[in-house]
Amino acid sequence: NAGVTQTPKFRILKIGQSMTLQCTQDMNHNYMYWYRQDPGMGLKLIYYSVGAGITDKGEVPNGYNVSRSTTEDFPLRLELAAPSQTSVYFCASSYLGRGYGYTFGSGTRLTVV
Amino acid sequence: AQTVTQSQPEMSVQEAETVTLSCTYDTSENNYYLFWYKQPPSRQMILVIRQEAYKQQNATENRFSVNFQKAAKSFSLKISDSQLGDTAMYFCAFITDKLIFGTGTRLQVFP
Repeated sequence: NAGVTQTPKFRILKIGQSMTLQCTQDMNHNYMYWYRQDPGMGLKLIYYSVGAGITDKGEVPNGYNVSRSTTEDFPLRLELAAPSQTSVYFCASSYLGRGYGYTFGSGTRLTVV
Repeated sequence: AQTVTQSQPEMSVQEAETVTLSCTYDTSENNYYLFWYKQPPSRQMILVIRQEAYKQQNATENRFSVNFQKAAKSFSLKISDSQLGDTAMYFCAFITDKLIFGTGTRLQVFP
């Protein structure tokens, strides 16, 4: 059972480039989330989804886009990368939402230069 | 606004000793859940313990226990018999409709 799989693990982007961070879960979880973790900080919610076809903004959505065409996949798109998007990105999923904690992927370290 | 505050950026403890990490939070909701997550150098986020706000009894998971004071909006984590493998960042978090994290406490366990 793989859990939540994120790819790539590391990436360096040049300013203005675009990329998609992939996230896949094999636990049939309805809820999926994208967080970013800046150095020395906690995690901040970028976008989340409560099911296929449904997405919503979190605390820090600017500069990002998401889609949820299947239960398993929740990709995060960065358009026109900026140095402020240098961070570690975590994808997470949850079966029943609130009360059972989230299962996290191992993160993607993104550097924008 | 819903916030989580961890006032101890760093803590250290000797192996086999006990350490308590502090956490306070603010919400106007009455029904929520609280969590402690561990993030070792591997970067993986690992759920340590969870507490349901409507339960008076403090949660316990092996060497980990919490002191949940709902009126004070306090949710501290006690680690007993500390082990070297407990060295990590620890994040307090709570959820109403979304999971909100504190800024973390870096715990170092010394031999």
